[in-house]
Amino acid sequence: EIVMTQSPATLSVSPGERATVSCRASQSVSSNLAWYQQKPGQAPRLLIYGASTRATGIPARFSGSGSGTDFTLTISSLQSEDFAVYYCQQYNKWPPYTFGQGTKLEIK
Amino acid sequence: QVQLVQSGTEVKKPGASVKVSCRASGHTFTTYYMHWVRQAPGQGLEWMGIINPSGGSTSYAQKFQGRVTMTSDTSTSTVYMELISLRSDDTAVYYCARGGITGTTRCWFDPWGQGTLVTVSS
Repeated sequence: EIVMTQSPATLSVSPGERATVSCRASQSVSSNLAWYQQKPGQAPRLLIYGASTRATGIPARFSGSGSGTDFTLTISSLQSEDFAVYYCQQYNKWPPYTFGQGTKLEIK
Repeated sequence: QVQLVQSGTEVKKPGASVKVSCRASGHTFTTYYMHWVRQAPGQGLEWMGIINPSGGSTSYAQKFQGRVTMTSDTSTSTVYMELISLRSDDTAVYYCARGGITGTTRCWFDPWGQGTLVTVSS
């Protein structure tokens, strides 16, 4: 099973600032990595797939990078609606498809 | 647009079973894999299994083998997830999510259903 490890667990950032979330895979997942955003009481929403491709309707302030085992989600200028929990997911090798444990982005 | 609508909240006693439905619209139902993912209260996302709605072939996470069954009904564009022998630690929100086009299992999940809360309590 591929273990996905996110850091940090919680990130405190002020609106307008930049936020960076890291995700590391226990073995290479190539570029088969997705990022999701989840707000309280809502289902996860796809942000990024293929490590760096924004999903339909996702603002340009969201960007993804990396390949192999190390990945990054960057939000360039935080808006109030961006404060949420973010998950990475590998879909390179399954079963199982695996998720990171989540990073909570909170207002500083 | 593609939409997944799930059945409502369930409350079950330990040892019982639950069957959650997920009706798809806005895409050709038999063309895409469907997944089930669960989320315990305050916890992360846990993949349970995948079904090919065309033909009904499935693959389950080892943790759920023997307790979960996923099925599909092409006449109503609905997939189902049944979990038996429920325990208190099965209390979670259960999500369905669309995967890749059949033949492409290396794919992200999009969109997701709204979730179904299953509470297991005596």
